[in-house]
Amino acid sequence: EIVLTQSPGTLSFSPGERATLSCRASQRLTSRYLAWYQQKPGQAPRLLIYGGSTRASGIPDRFSGSGSGTDFTLSISRLEPEDFAVYYCQQYGDSPQTFGQGTKLEIK
Amino acid sequence: QVTLQESGPPLVKPTQTLTLTCTISGFSLNTDGIYVGWIRQPPGKALEWLALIFWDDDKRYSPSLRSRLTITKDTSKNQVVLRMTNMHPVDSATYFCGTGYTLASPRVTKYDYWGQGTLVTVSS
Repeated sequence: EIVLTQSPGTLSFSPGERATLSCRASQRLTSRYLAWYQQKPGQAPRLLIYGGSTRASGIPDRFSGSGSGTDFTLSISRLEPEDFAVYYCQQYGDSPQTFGQGTKLEIK
Repeated sequence: QVTLQESGPPLVKPTQTLTLTCTISGFSLNTDGIYVGWIRQPPGKALEWLALIFWDDDKRYSPSLRSRLTITKDTSKNQVVLRMTNMHPVDSATYFCGTGYTLASPRVTKYDYWGQGTLVTVSS
């Protein structure tokens, strides 16, 4: 089973800043089947990025994904107040699919 | 518009079997490429994938929970049902269903749409 490590567990930024979140896989992903989700308190996760770098429908272009192999990154270019949430990565190319432990993005 | 709605008991006793239903609208479970999965989240913790069923009845399970899980679909009702046997207090969580579409080989499954989740507490 591929373990996804998201570190640190919490990141603090101010609105308007650029944030970079990390997701590291315990072994090389066979393909770029890596997704990112955003979750706000009391809500279901929302798909942001799939295929490592493709934005899901309706996702603002301030969100971008990159990476390959074992290291993947979600970047948010200019943080808006509504972006402060928990972010999860998911690998879905190797069975079983797995999620990371999440990174909480909080307001500094 | 695609919507998913989870339903099930909010409280189950230890050793009991949990049955959860995901009712889907906006597409048919018979549509080629469609899949529905179950994911859970204990309070304050991370997401954990449980099980998955494809339009052609292909099924996948989490290896660590496989012996306790059964996933089925009822196309006449457009519902997916998850059964989990021998519930423990550590199984207390919000249970989500999610869906997506793939015709890729091998089959790869991200979740484009999610239900709001249903909270299940395991306690005597």
